[in-house]
Amino acid sequence: GDSVTQMEGPVTLSEEAFLTINCTYTATGYPSLFWYVQYPGEGLQLLLKATKADDKGSNKGFEATYRKETTSFHLEKGSVQVSDSAVYFCALRASGGYQKVTFGIGTKLQVIP
Amino acid sequence: DVKVTQSSRYLVKRTGEKVFLECVQDMDHENMFWYRQDPGLGLRLIYFSYDVKMKEKGDIPEGYSVSREKKERFSLILESASTNQTSMYLCASSLYRTGSYNEQFFGPGTRLTVL
Repeated sequence: GDSVTQMEGPVTLSEEAFLTINCTYTATGYPSLFWYVQYPGEGLQLLLKATKADDKGSNKGFEATYRKETTSFHLEKGSVQVSDSAVYFCALRASGGYQKVTFGIGTKLQVIP
Repeated sequence: DVKVTQSSRYLVKRTGEKVFLECVQDMDHENMFWYRQDPGLGLRLIYFSYDVKMKEKGDIPEGYSVSREKKERFSLILESASTNQTSMYLCASSLYRTGSYNEQFFGPGTRLTVL
């Protein structure tokens, strides 16, 4: 079945550091890929998405590129802020059918001043 | 803004009790979902619904049932709560049943403890 693999963390960075959170996936066909973010005490919210190979999703300074050859969708940000501290979930939706999404385990990011 | 509300932020129940978790969305979305979130396991789909009175099993439906009598409301039912159902429960909704991906909007979650 479909699956998403990401490290659990926590990832601890100093403010203004470069962030990479790795995500790889297993799915048949051509899934859509997403990053969701969960701030403390809140539900998840969509951060960015990519629906086909080589698409780059971006939002709030975060970027991720859909790489079909390596089945990856790594999240990057050039300069993190304390307000970016949250849990980040990589996710996929298989092509066709219902709107069911498979999530990774989530990576906790802590940014210290 | 889309709003997804859940009836309780925190809930404590005893083993064997029947537990109802309620979720309401205010944007006429067709799809609604129930997940549980556990450390090291991420989000796992329990049930989802794409229309009133329709339901589909997710990845971990055992021990749970659901009800969707009105479009805006999706209830998760634990018929006889057990300690291994202690978890954070998240409800979500999205607009269309099929087609290109529709963003899921999440509620704040209910942290359920079963003693």
